[in-house]
Amino acid sequence: TQLLEQSPQFLSIQEGENLTVYCNSSSVFSSLQWYRQEPGEGPVLLVTVVTGGEVKKLKRLTFQFGDARKDSSLHITAAQPGDTGLYLCAGGVDYGGSQGNLIFGKGTKLSVKP
Amino acid sequence: EPEVTQTPSHQVTQMGQEVILRCVPISNHLYFYWYRQILGQKVEFLVSFYNNEISEKSEIFDDQFSVERPDGSNFTLKIRSTKLEDSAMYFCASSVFRAPDSPLHFGNGTRLTVT
Repeated sequence: TQLLEQSPQFLSIQEGENLTVYCNSSSVFSSLQWYRQEPGEGPVLLVTVVTGGEVKKLKRLTFQFGDARKDSSLHITAAQPGDTGLYLCAGGVDYGGSQGNLIFGKGTKLSVKP
Repeated sequence: EPEVTQTPSHQVTQMGQEVILRCVPISNHLYFYWYRQILGQKVEFLVSFYNNEISEKSEIFDDQFSVERPDGSNFTLKIRSTKLEDSAMYFCASSVFRAPDSPLHFGNGTRLTVT
């Protein structure tokens, strides 16, 4: 069974601080997607990383895929209250000819206080 | 921007009853999915659907579950005889290409409460 472990589970910080959220697995994934989920809504895709070692930036968010494609991190610089939400990583499972699905981590619940 | 829409937003039903959750995927998407999220737990894959048939399903998707695309726009999840443990948020998603090659677009979910 492939699992994605996210840490920390909860994170409460002050506006302006930096933070890093981790997503780890013992399995190799074909891709890693990061989603953000607000209460009462579905996950919204932030980014997809595909290549080992890949780094993608989305304004103040930096995403990295591990060289071995088993882990990923999300770094937020100068966090703002609007960054508050549940951050989910999801690993792409590609079984060749089958229709792949996503395996989700449990998420990191981020709270940024003004 | 086109979005996936789900109805109803909240469904309350009694144990043993049948429920149908409805979804309208994004119109040019070809792959459709159902995921569920039990309160406080992670999002779990149920089933993927392509070309009018199930392409993959998880262990959760047992004989009590079925999916259908009755017309060109709707995608439904039926639970034949609900159990208490079916209480969860059910998310429909769609993608242009199959996951994981293509990002999933999720609806806002249907909260199913089985009493």
